[in-house]
Amino acid sequence: SQELEQSPQSLIVQEGKNLTINCTSSKTLYGLYWYKQKYGEGLIFLMMLQKGGEEKSHEKITAKLDEKKQQSSLHITASQPSHAGIYLCGADHGENYGQNFVFGPGTRLSVLP
Amino acid sequence: NAGVTQTPKFQVLKTGQSMTLQCAQDMNHEYMSWYRQDPGMGLRLIHYSVGAGITDQGEVPNGYNVSRSTTEDFPLRLLSAAPSQTSVYFCASTLGGGQPQHFGDGTRLSIL
Repeated sequence: SQELEQSPQSLIVQEGKNLTINCTSSKTLYGLYWYKQKYGEGLIFLMMLQKGGEEKSHEKITAKLDEKKQQSSLHITASQPSHAGIYLCGADHGENYGQNFVFGPGTRLSVLP
Repeated sequence: NAGVTQTPKFQVLKTGQSMTLQCAQDMNHEYMSWYRQDPGMGLRLIHYSVGAGITDQGEVPNGYNVSRSTTEDFPLRLLSAAPSQTSVYFCASTLGGGQPQHFGDGTRLSIL
């Protein structure tokens, strides 16, 4: 079973629509990271959340961390074709970085022009 | 500014062959990791290193060896390739202390 679950598995939206991707952890979070991956490429770091209630934004992407629920959400406002790709959440489940770093299975986003 | 460089980008091997996937970073990061990415399973940690001379196993270490003789390089060795090792392999590095990982572009490996 996955320590990090993501929903939905895939998402198809019309350009201009808002969308939300969720990431839920089965263990205590010491840090939550969002990455984007385009097909055939490496992972690009988007945002990092470390404190409960923390919210960060970059351009049209906002990420929030609910520490009590061990959940994070990634919200894209007014989606564009350039937002298409696979979004992965990664979590640090240990106090010693590296020993317990896991990734979710990813959410595949398609944006129709 | 190269970041994390992985070579080769593509490789096809026959079952039983051995090979080394190269990873180098020029950011003076102490922490380096190897992951494999398979459809529907996200990235899984193979081995990681917290500094030169120190390595440890991740979630799926069987069939792989690593070493860390310098801060910059972290090669991954497949001892005797098996079809189950067909995957995309990513190397990552970070300063640690909660800082995000920087990823290479990946090596796409097929074992026939």
